[in-house]
Amino acid sequence: DVKVTQSSRYLVKRTGEKVFLECVQDMDHENMFWYRQDPGLGLRLIYFSYDVKMKEKGDIPEGYSVSREKKERFSLILESASTNQTSMYLCASSLGVNTEAFFGQGTRLTVV
Amino acid sequence: DQQVKQNSPSLSVQEGRISILNCDYTNSMFDYFLWYKKYPAEGPTFLISISSIKDKNEDGRFTVFLNKSAKHLSLHIVPSQPGDSAVYFCAARVNFGNEKLTFGTGTRLTIIP
Repeated sequence: DVKVTQSSRYLVKRTGEKVFLECVQDMDHENMFWYRQDPGLGLRLIYFSYDVKMKEKGDIPEGYSVSREKKERFSLILESASTNQTSMYLCASSLGVNTEAFFGQGTRLTVV
Repeated sequence: DQQVKQNSPSLSVQEGRISILNCDYTNSMFDYFLWYKKYPAEGPTFLISISSIKDKNEDGRFTVFLNKSAKHLSLHIVPSQPGDSAVYFCAARVNFGNEKLTFGTGTRLTIIP
């Protein structure tokens, strides 16, 4: 079974802190994604990566950056956390064309 | 600009009956569609998908129908069971593109025992 693991289930951070969310997948997938889920807005893509050291902006990249130094690991960085970044963050990976994306369990981040 | 729309935020269905969840899209370049199910405090899990070369795909109790001319897809669950109570997201992708999935806003399905 594909496993996508996010490092934390729940996080509470202060405004202005630098926050790292880590994601690891064990299926040698090329593609990795970071989404956030907010009520009434569905899942919105923040960033994705189709190869090591490659990244592309999604629909809402402002205030975020990412890092992919190894194929299995994709990190989301909040450079200076703000209260409007309080959300559920979901990491996913996929193999390629006509395949589904597999999601991690999510990280509920609260910025106070 | 919401390219994938789920216009019903919630739906309640009696146990044993059919649940029909709907999804509309605007981008004619989408050619692969997926449905995900999500329980609270968990990540979405894949349910079923359909390629644009088909108009129907079935997997057990779940069937997805695609109407390309109307840019509409639907998920049928029959018979509905209490464990089907969850939020359902439809998603779409351009296959020759960059693999990113565009999601709808979700429909909360409640199965009434």
